[in-house]
Amino acid sequence: GQQVMQIPQYQHVQEGEDFTTYCNSSTTLSNIQWYKQRPGGHPVFLIQLVKSGEVKKQKRLTFQFGEAKKNSSLHITATQTTDVGTYFCAGPEYGNKLVFGAGTILRVKS
Amino acid sequence: EAQVTQNPRYLITVTGKKLTVTCSQNMNHEYMSWYRQDPGLGLRQIYYSMNVEVTDKGDVPEGYKVSRKEKRNFPLILESPSPNQTSLYFCASSSRLAGHPQYFGPGTRLTVT
Repeated sequence: GQQVMQIPQYQHVQEGEDFTTYCNSSTTLSNIQWYKQRPGGHPVFLIQLVKSGEVKKQKRLTFQFGEAKKNSSLHITATQTTDVGTYFCAGPEYGNKLVFGAGTILRVKS
Repeated sequence: EAQVTQNPRYLITVTGKKLTVTCSQNMNHEYMSWYRQDPGLGLRQIYYSMNVEVTDKGDVPEGYKVSRKEKRNFPLILESPSPNQTSLYFCASSSRLAGHPQYFGPGTRLTVT
């Protein structure tokens, strides 16, 4: 079945530094979704990318979908303590199942 | 308020004692699913349902059952829980298929001793 790999597993940054997490799928994706889970909370939908090469921004967050639609990245500029949490990517398999990456845990030192 | 609710939020039980975790959504969503979250493994889909009376296995269905008799409810049943089912469980719903944003419930932390 489809596999979604996410790296790094864990990153600890100084407040103000940038952060990037990468997502790679074993198959071409029709779309990719990104979620954020705060410590002790539940995953919350951030964004969905659909088009090849698509780039979307949400304030300090930049999301990219690769040209081949098999990889994606989330970049946070100038991290803040409010950015802490686990970031997941997810892609649909055959339109019905949703496969998540293992997530990247972000910790921010103030 | 649009939401997905789960009950109970915390549960400690013993091996073999049947239990049900309820999930309900008030958004008239067709697609619902259950996930388990374990450290280092991310979210793994247990079962999903594309509509009433339509359910299918996800990646880790062994030891679980589900039913979808009403559009709003999607209970998760553990007929004979075992310690390896100790995990954090999330229910989620979306307006259509898996390719649409998922709205997650608050989670149920289950411990099986």
